[in-house]
Amino acid sequence: GESVGLHLPTLSVQEGDNSIINCAYSNSASDYFIWYKQESGKGPQFIIDIRSNMDKRQGQRVTVLLNKTVKHLSLQIAATQPGDSAVYFCAETFPNFGNEKLTFGTGTRLTIIP
Amino acid sequence: NAGVTQTPKFRVLKTGQSMTLLCAQDMNHEYMYWYRQDPGMGLRLIHYSVGEGTTAKGEVPDGYNVSRLKKQNFLLGLESAAPSQTSVYFCASSYGSSGEQFFGPGTRLTVL
Repeated sequence: GESVGLHLPTLSVQEGDNSIINCAYSNSASDYFIWYKQESGKGPQFIIDIRSNMDKRQGQRVTVLLNKTVKHLSLQIAATQPGDSAVYFCAETFPNFGNEKLTFGTGTRLTIIP
Repeated sequence: NAGVTQTPKFRVLKTGQSMTLLCAQDMNHEYMYWYRQDPGMGLRLIHYSVGEGTTAKGEVPDGYNVSRLKKQNFLLGLESAAPSQTSVYFCASSYGSSGEQFFGPGTRLTVL
């Protein structure tokens, strides 16, 4: 999975299967986490967020899981489609701060195999 | 709504030249941001603004200046471009200080 400062990992998944993208965050004080999706040639697009007082949050076809004990965040995409092919970034920020302190990971490239 | 737009989409500069990147948003957002994206490094915040007439430094502000004369516009200036400023630049805006940011399509800048 991705982490701040590591090389861009890749994940290939068969169309229709579920995808799990992992993110190891660095600061145990972080209390807000966001997943962004970036398609080729486009800007990042917000997918889902979660606060540290939650372990799980679900959206449309996506679920974010937060494990504060091991500082791990994951994004699960159900029944992946070709349009899910993109780079996925996790981002974290700290208590009493907003987007100006958002730290982005390096991203994971998800490729959907038809 | 057009969302967040950026001009230009591409630009090639020679070392020492100057240029301004324009960001515009039509969502009446208070907060606006400029990021750069380099391979293997994720997005890094250059400057941001919490409202019209205000700007603040982000993580990597050196070599850049910004202005927010109108709420809907956020300009990023390079006074004397350097090859290290070759990057893809993204503008973003948000309604509040935290939460979802809306990103523009990016400007690919090459400094020779």
